[in-house]
Amino acid sequence: EAEVAQSPRYKITEKSQAVAFWCDPISGHATLYWYRQILGQGPELLVQFQDESVVDDSQLPKDRFSAERLKGVDSTLKIQPAELGDSAMYLCASSLRDGSYEQYFGPGTRLTVT
Amino acid sequence: QQQVKQSPQSLIVQKGGISIINCAYENTAFDYFPWYQQFPGKGPALLIAIRPDVSEKKEGRFTISFNKSAKQFSLHIMDSQPGDSATYFCAASWDSGYSTLTFGKGTMLLVSP
Repeated sequence: EAEVAQSPRYKITEKSQAVAFWCDPISGHATLYWYRQILGQGPELLVQFQDESVVDDSQLPKDRFSAERLKGVDSTLKIQPAELGDSAMYLCASSLRDGSYEQYFGPGTRLTVT
Repeated sequence: QQQVKQSPQSLIVQKGGISIINCAYENTAFDYFPWYQQFPGKGPALLIAIRPDVSEKKEGRFTISFNKSAKQFSLHIMDSQPGDSATYFCAASWDSGYSTLTFGKGTMLLVSP
């Protein structure tokens, strides 16, 4: 069964350091999402890609967060500099095409900022 | 307009019982309502979903009931099992062109043996 892959699974970093997360969506899925999930809360969308283009980054803190999906396949989310409040689970999801509602999530990256 | 309100925050049900989780929304443009199941340390997994043209959808022990006039939908888990113990999230989306999901805050379900 095809799955969304994410790495690393866990990351501990000190505040002010840079950190990056990687996501490989299900093959053939054109739409890719990055979510942040704070403990005890539902996922909140950070950025959405359609192929290699960003279609929604309204909730992405652009002063410190960046995301790219250069070839329209895998994607990287970066935080620089990390802050204590960034400690959360970062989830990647993908869906087959624009307008396809079914989103499939990866296992997430648990980030702890000390 | 974007909120999805979920209740209860936590739920304890005996094995074999019925678990019921409720969600309410405000945005009448929402036209897709999925439920996700999340185990600790894992990503959410799509469980079941409904569109507003039907009032109920059943898949195995899981049923979504949808009340369009009340803007509410609920998840019913029949014959609840200890393996169902997880956090459940309702969500909603509309055809803005990019199918963005808005999630509820989650319900932590514990099914006691």
